[in-house]
Amino acid sequence: QVQLQESGPGLVKPSGTLSLTCAVSGGSISSSNWWTWVRQPPGKGLEWIGEIYHSGSTNYNPSLKSRVTISVDKSKNQFSLKLSSVTAADTAVYYCARIATEFDYWGQGTLVTVSS
Amino acid sequence: SSELTQDPAVSVALGQTVRITCQGDSLRRYYASWYQQKPGQAPVLVVFGKNNRPSGIPDRFSGSSSGNTASLTITGAQAEDEADYYCNSRDISGNFYVFGTGTKVTV
Repeated sequence: QVQLQESGPGLVKPSGTLSLTCAVSGGSISSSNWWTWVRQPPGKGLEWIGEIYHSGSTNYNPSLKSRVTISVDKSKNQFSLKLSSVTAADTAVYYCARIATEFDYWGQGTLVTVSS
Repeated sequence: SSELTQDPAVSVALGQTVRITCQGDSLRRYYASWYQQKPGQAPVLVVFGKNNRPSGIPDRFSGSSSGNTASLTITGAQAEDEADYYCNSRDISGNFYVFGTGTKVTV
């Protein structure tokens, strides 16, 4: 059973960089799957952020592309998200998930608040 | 267009059938997947592909597609099916994913 666990600071200052890591267990990040980040502002819907393959290939949401970097660390079986120049609008629960055409395994999510 | 549009809310009587729809140009090319989300919890995959359910998802959940519209049907809705439901697919270019606007189902 694949499990994903997000970790990182729960509070980020405006104009700063949000950094999160997703640890994968029960499976290899080098499998034939893409790995993805999704976020959900309080009381709102889901927004896809981007995806990465173990080779390092990435795709990003065009609306966030200029601020997003997703990377993979195969040695630690994890992948990471960096979102720069954050504002209050980036306050959300951030989820990581595995993609097998569909998003079949999800982390529990972590709330990141952007505030001074 | 990269948008997937869903009705904001639907209600269904206990034991009755409800259909949730998702409209978007990309659905002419890609199947939708459907996610159930209860308050304070992560989304859970309930239907994907032509009409597939992950292990552990009751067979009262089913999916279908026609043209630019994908549908999730709950046949014999139960109280525990009360949740938000989101559709998802690749955008029409295939370069990124998009989620639907979400439907709140009240049983």
